[in-house]
Amino acid sequence: AQSVTQLGSHVSVSEGALVLLRCNYSSSVPPYLFWYVQYPNQGLQLLLKYTTGATLVKGINGFEAEFKKSETSFHLTKPSAHMSDAAEYFCAVSRMDTGRRALTFGSGTRLQVQP
Amino acid sequence: EPEVTQTPSHQVTQMGQEVILRCVPISNHLYFYWYRQILGQKVEFLVSFYNNEISEKSEIFDDQFSVERPDGSNFTLKIRSTKLEDSAMYFCASSEALSRNRETQYFGPGTRLLVL
Repeated sequence: AQSVTQLGSHVSVSEGALVLLRCNYSSSVPPYLFWYVQYPNQGLQLLLKYTTGATLVKGINGFEAEFKKSETSFHLTKPSAHMSDAAEYFCAVSRMDTGRRALTFGSGTRLQVQP
Repeated sequence: EPEVTQTPSHQVTQMGQEVILRCVPISNHLYFYWYRQILGQKVEFLVSFYNNEISEKSEIFDDQFSVERPDGSNFTLKIRSTKLEDSAMYFCASSEALSRNRETQYFGPGTRLLVL
């Protein structure tokens, strides 16, 4: 069975600082990897995804993530935080190579951005 | 931009009552999903639905739960006899079937269910 671990349930950064949200997965085969963001009172919005190919993927709002197979990681970064980035971020995996589409989510990281 | 919609946004019910949560997936999507998030816990997969039948379900999705596509636009989750532990945010999602973007699931805003 696959699992997702997000280190740090809360991360606080200053506006303009680097954002780093950590995600590690456990799967016998590299899964498809996703980052979703949830703003207050809204649904989950896809930030970016990795399926195959280039291991550095760029998403919306200046976020990017790098798939590192050797580290079983898919950390999310943004060079310069903005106040509007304050939200909850979820890492998720799926095993579509096996035909299973169900997403397995991490427990989420709440990002605070201080002025 | 097309989006998944869900109604109601909030639902309060008494334990033992039946509830139906409704979702309108994105119109050209053929896969539909339900997830739930109990307060303070992870988002958990419940069920996926394709071609008018369940394609996957988790161990959470027991006989108390059922899904249906009653018409060409709606997708529903029914909980037959609600329990206190069913209190959660329920998210509907949809995805394409065959395109290069088929792995991306688009989520609705959720229905917050409170069972008293």
